[in-house]
Amino acid sequence: EAGVAQSPRYKIIEKRQSVAFWCNPISGHATLYWYQQILGQGPKLLIQFQNNGVVDDSQLPKDRFSAERLKGVDSTLKIQPAKLEDSAVYLCASSRTQTGGNYGYTFGSGTRLTVV
Amino acid sequence: QQQVKQSPQSLIVQKGGISIINCAYENTAFDYFPWYQQFPGKGPALLIAIRPDVSEKKEGRFTISFNKSAKQFSLHIMDSQPGDSATYFCAGETSGSRLTFGEGTQLTVNP
Repeated sequence: EAGVAQSPRYKIIEKRQSVAFWCNPISGHATLYWYQQILGQGPKLLIQFQNNGVVDDSQLPKDRFSAERLKGVDSTLKIQPAKLEDSAVYLCASSRTQTGGNYGYTFGSGTRLTVV
Repeated sequence: QQQVKQSPQSLIVQKGGISIINCAYENTAFDYFPWYQQFPGKGPALLIAIRPDVSEKKEGRFTISFNKSAKQFSLHIMDSQPGDSATYFCAGETSGSRLTFGEGTQLTVNP
């Protein structure tokens, strides 16, 4: 099966600019996650979708971050305005069920964001 | 309560040696403990996982040892190979909640 697709792979923006990331999960995976991975740290969940509904966005900085999953398939994550501390890799993952279970989560290769 | 602590931060092993990475958790509600492997420029990929009702799980050269009373678990990589050089993350998960990752261990296997 095809993997989780993410674009762009790299993005460099100035602080206070806006940026958007796109994710296409594995076909049939109902659950989609966005993670933030700061260099040298483990991934941290930003938001979890079940189909097109939000399950958990408790760690999403809602004053600047937003995400949507239209029609329960593709998803976009937006940052506006960006801060220097937003420099990180943004990973999208999907799973068949609401928890990884025996199949785990399938991660995309991520988008590396650099805010200067 | 959600934290997973991982050590060491980095590890260098000779080819053929044993790599050991340790994790400790606080949240007793975790009911699934996966290990993920991440190569540079790639997302993490599920390597092996264990549920707390067993003390050990082995898949090829990879073994998880689990100590429920101590709230600790570890990954053992036997006969380590240069191709195993990657960053390894332990994690904890509860049903219906987020996957909580450790900070990661950068493993280097020298030829």
